Amino acid sequence: SQKIEQNSEALNIQEGKTATLTCNYTNYSPAYLQWYRQDPGRGPVFLLLIRENEKEKRKERLKVTFDTTLKQSLFHITASQPADSATYLCALGENNNDMRFGAGTRLTVKP
Amino acid sequence: ETGVTQTPRHLVMGMTNKKSLKCEQHLGHNAMYWYKQSAKKPLELMFVYSLEERVENNSVPSRFSPECPNSSHLFLHLHTLQPEDSALYLCASSQVGLRANEQFFGPGTRLTVL
Repeated sequence: SQKIEQNSEALNIQEGKTATLTCNYTNYSPAYLQWYRQDPGRGPVFLLLIRENEKEKRKERLKVTFDTTLKQSLFHITASQPADSATYLCALGENNNDMRFGAGTRLTVKP
Repeated sequence: ETGVTQTPRHLVMGMTNKKSLKCEQHLGHNAMYWYKQSAKKPLELMFVYSLEERVENNSVPSRFSPECPNSSHLFLHLHTLQPEDSALYLCASSQVGLRANEQFFGPGTRLTVL
């Protein structure tokens, strides 16, 4: 069966450290993978997109890697801040109409 | 603001009620989506409309009925719901074909079925 697994339900780190979140998938052949941020009481907000033929993408303090052999994406937040505390969702897309989400990892950055 | 609005933000209804959720996007997108988000579960894709035509219906019970009168508006009609239908219902829109389906979400409607 198809699965999207985000490594842990919750991750706590100290301010200034790098947060690394993992997204693993099985029985998918995604054309692209996206990461979203969701704050309590709000809808998810798009952060980054990476396509199947790309290894790495960066945006400010964010970095995403995509390994189609390992069937894994890593999402890094460098120099983390308390304001980065939120739930982060990965999503896989095999075509333009359909995208499947993981359950999310709740990140807490402590001062 | 993301350019996607949803009303109402909160809804409490009995199992015999009929209600509707409304979504409006101001982004000029050509696709709209309904998702269900339950606690500690992944977002579940319920319905997809692309160019105002329904292109996906993921085995959603018939007590949920979508309607897309134009590319900017999307409704979810609810009737005879069950308590397990209580969840956050999210609407999203995207421009299919332009970018790999980057989706813009509304704030959601928190639904409680008594």
